[in-house]
Amino acid sequence: GENVEQHPSTLSVQEGDSAVIKCTYSDSASNYFPWYKQELGKGPQLIIDIRSNVGEKKDQRIAVTLNKTAKHFSLHITETQPEDSAVYFCAAGGYQKVTFGTGTKLQVIP
Amino acid sequence: DTAVSQTPKYLVTQMGNDKSIKCEQNLGHDTMYWYKQDSKKFLKIMFSYNNKELIINETVPNRFSPKSPDKAHLNLHINSLELGDSAVYFCASSQQLGGRGGEQYFGPGTRLTVT
Repeated sequence: GENVEQHPSTLSVQEGDSAVIKCTYSDSASNYFPWYKQELGKGPQLIIDIRSNVGEKKDQRIAVTLNKTAKHFSLHITETQPEDSAVYFCAAGGYQKVTFGTGTKLQVIP
Repeated sequence: DTAVSQTPKYLVTQMGNDKSIKCEQNLGHDTMYWYKQDSKKFLKIMFSYNNKELIINETVPNRFSPKSPDKAHLNLHINSLELGDSAVYFCASSQQLGGRGGEQYFGPGTRLTVT
């Protein structure tokens, strides 16, 4: 089955700096790569997603890149703000299932 | 209107008891899921249902029994609760299964504590 590895597990950045979270997946049949943000006490919420026919997608301060050959994808957050502090999950979606990474706790220091 | 709702939000119970968690979605989605999130924040799928049919059962002990009375509801019943069942349980829904289904909408979670 699919295996998704996510790094780093924790990340601290100064407000205004950029944050990068990286994930690798194992199943070349996976074709959908969402990123979720989980705030304290809440359920995960989708922030951006990308399909395998696209190499990069951007939405304001958030961007995702996908390298299908190397089977890795990354989340980039620019100009970080304190409200970006949360746990972020990558995931890889195949035919029947979406497999989540282990999560990255991002702390943005004011 | 809440898209995916779960009840109860908190559940404290003793070992050996039986408990249920209810989930409802008003998005008209075909697929619903149960996830378990442990203290390390790992999010692990337990079950997925598509049009009321069980599709995925991720080697979950048979003390856990999901039931989908209709496409909008997916309940989770747990028998003979154990300490290791303590976790946050999330219900989620999507339009279709897997990657084709796109965004998953998560409920607010049910924090289960077994003492």
